[in-house]
Amino acid sequence: AQKVTQAQTEISVVEKEDVTLDCVYETRDTTYYLFWYKQPPSGELVFLIRRNSFDEQNEISGRYSWNFQKSTSSFNFTITASQVVDSAVYFCALSAYNAGNNRKLIWGLGTSLAVNP
Amino acid sequence: GAVVSQHPSRVICKSGTSVKIECRSLDFQATTMFWYRQFPKKSLMLMATSNEGSKATYEQGVEKDKFLINHASLTLSTLTVTSAHPEDSSFYICSAYYPGGPGELFFGEGSRLTVL
Repeated sequence: AQKVTQAQTEISVVEKEDVTLDCVYETRDTTYYLFWYKQPPSGELVFLIRRNSFDEQNEISGRYSWNFQKSTSSFNFTITASQVVDSAVYFCALSAYNAGNNRKLIWGLGTSLAVNP
Repeated sequence: GAVVSQHPSRVICKSGTSVKIECRSLDFQATTMFWYRQFPKKSLMLMATSNEGSKATYEQGVEKDKFLINHASLTLSTLTVTSAHPEDSSFYICSAYYPGGPGELFFGEGSRLTVL
C-alpha cells in the first residue's frame, strides 16, 4: 500500500526558531517522487519541491531545506529562522511513477505551522 | 511559470441549484486535469481525473452524476455540482501537470463553494 504520514498535526513556534516538519512514506515502487506543498490561509497550493527516489541528495533553498532518507522512508522539511509568513499548512505527497501523466498523488494529512511574532 | 486558474474563487448558492467551476491552464495545454476536494483542516481528496476529449475517471465513492466534469479543450476543464446541497459545501481545487516538466502538479487558486 502507498501511504504518507505527517505525524505532526499542528506546530507552533516563535519567529526565528528553526522548525522541522516530518514526512514518512510507504511504497513498494522502486521509482517514485516525493513532494512538499505549502497552503497559506488564502488556500492556493504552492509547489515547494519535488524529489525522485534515485536522488537522495539533501536540498537547500534559502531558509528551506529537505532531508531525504530512503533507509527510513522519510522526507523531512526544515525551515530555518522561521518567519510569520511561513505560517501555513504544509503537505507532503507521494507519486508513483507510471507511463504518461496520469499519476496519482498520495497526500499526507498536512501539518499546520503557526509562526508567532 | 505554469499557471492554472480557477473561476469563481467563491460562490454561494441556494440548495437545489447547480454551480459550474472552471479550471484553465493559462500558458500550457493540459490533456489531463485533476479535481480535488478539501474539507476544512483536512487533506486533499482526489475526486476525478479529467481527460480532454473523453470521459472523466472518477474515484471510488464520488458520484459522477452529482459532479459533472467536462474537458472540452486542452486548456479548460469544468466541474459542475448539480442540485447542490449544504453537504457539498467545500473547497474545490483543480490541478494539472505541466507537459514536459519535471512532474509537479500546478494548482488553481481553489473555489470555495457554500450551499445555503
